[in-house]
Amino acid sequence: SQQGEEDPQALSIQEGENATMNCSYKTSINNLQWYRQNSGRGLVHLILIRSNEREKHSGRLRVTLDTSKKSSSLLITASRAADTASYFCAEGGGNKLTFGTGTQLKVEL
Amino acid sequence: GAVVSQHPSWVICKSGTSVKIECRSLDFQATTMFWYRQFPKQSLMLMATSNEGSKATYEQGVEKDKFLINHASLTLSTLTVTSAHPEDSSFYICSATDHTTNQETQYFGPGTRLLVL
Repeated sequence: SQQGEEDPQALSIQEGENATMNCSYKTSINNLQWYRQNSGRGLVHLILIRSNEREKHSGRLRVTLDTSKKSSSLLITASRAADTASYFCAEGGGNKLTFGTGTQLKVEL
Repeated sequence: GAVVSQHPSWVICKSGTSVKIECRSLDFQATTMFWYRQFPKQSLMLMATSNEGSKATYEQGVEKDKFLINHASLTLSTLTVTSAHPEDSSFYICSATDHTTNQETQYFGPGTRLLVL
């Protein structure tokens, strides 16, 4: 399987804290994407980072990419209860996406 | 923009029956649609890639005769689970790419939960 791995598998934090999720992938990539999935729902695209980029920001999200280590991280700053969801990294693009194992984030009030 | 819908959102059926799931791109044309399945607390696994007007490409281990995919138009793809069995119970999610703007991002439908009794 080419599926990447994410850690931690589960993360529980208090509202206002930062949440960091890590993703490791196995093949060379053109880009890496992060998605959010609320329980029992579809996926929402969060951010895409290209292989020639090292860091990217979008609102409270910050994504880093280290192609030498084949790893990426997603940082959510000032978390809110509404951020509670599963987060997946995915390598690939329009042709085919391979998802990581996911991190279940719970933000408590 | 870039909205994908699925119908039905959930379905319960008896073992041995067939179930059809529709995936529609509502405000864009999707030359390529993807079908995934997801078991509880697990990641998405790609089942097949569907290109409009041609046969779907199935991932290894996915039975094409069991999971029939039709992509007859640029806005509609269907997945039919034939002779469903309890082990087919899962969350099925489709996605589509907008070939006119951004081929790197897949837009996902809300998913269909299938329960086979």
